[in-house]
Amino acid sequence: SQTIHQWPATLVQPVGSPLSLECTVEGTSNPNLYWYRQAAGRGLQLLFYSVGIGQISSEVPQNLSASRPQDRQFILSSKKLLLSDSGFYLCAWGRRLNTEAFFGQGTRLTVV
Amino acid sequence: AQSVTQLDSQVPVFEEAPVELRCNYSSSVSVYLFWYVQYPNQGLQLLLKYLSGSTLVKGINGFEAEFNKSQTSFHLRKPSVHISDTAEYFCAVREATGGGNKLTFGTGTQLKVEL
Repeated sequence: SQTIHQWPATLVQPVGSPLSLECTVEGTSNPNLYWYRQAAGRGLQLLFYSVGIGQISSEVPQNLSASRPQDRQFILSSKKLLLSDSGFYLCAWGRRLNTEAFFGQGTRLTVV
Repeated sequence: AQSVTQLDSQVPVFEEAPVELRCNYSSSVSVYLFWYVQYPNQGLQLLLKYLSGSTLVKGINGFEAEFNKSQTSFHLRKPSVHISDTAEYFCAVREATGGGNKLTFGTGTQLKVEL
């Protein structure tokens, strides 16, 4: 069976510090991978998606970047965090010819 | 592009009462529709999905939803809720062809079940 791992579960970082959130998928190959952000009262916003190694599409301009160094690894980064980067970050994966996305447990990021 | 509207941000309901969570969507192409549930500080879990065929879709935990193409709606229902159903519910849509599994979500409805 497939599993998705996302860490850390919670993170408190000062403004201006760097960020690295990691997500890995097990039990499948060549998945589509996604990063979503959930801000209070605003639903889920798609930040990045990837259809293969090194292939990243950005959905909204922001202070964040994503990378996919391996087939089942997806990393969300920032060089300098802003207060507005606070939120709940969710990684997800989907099969190429399938329909739904499967979500990790999320990372609660608080920038102080 | 697609959009999803969940008009009710919060829905309070007593235990064992029926509930309906509303979802309307907008799209110029055929779509697939989904309902996800999120418990506090957790990821999203798929409740049910509509791809094609019967417009009444049954999901996990006793939930069901009905696809209404003319009204562009996909409302979620449960005939009798339990305390454990307290959670946030998200409606989502994606293109039926292409789209790369990109889901567009509504802003969510917080269901609060009270004794």
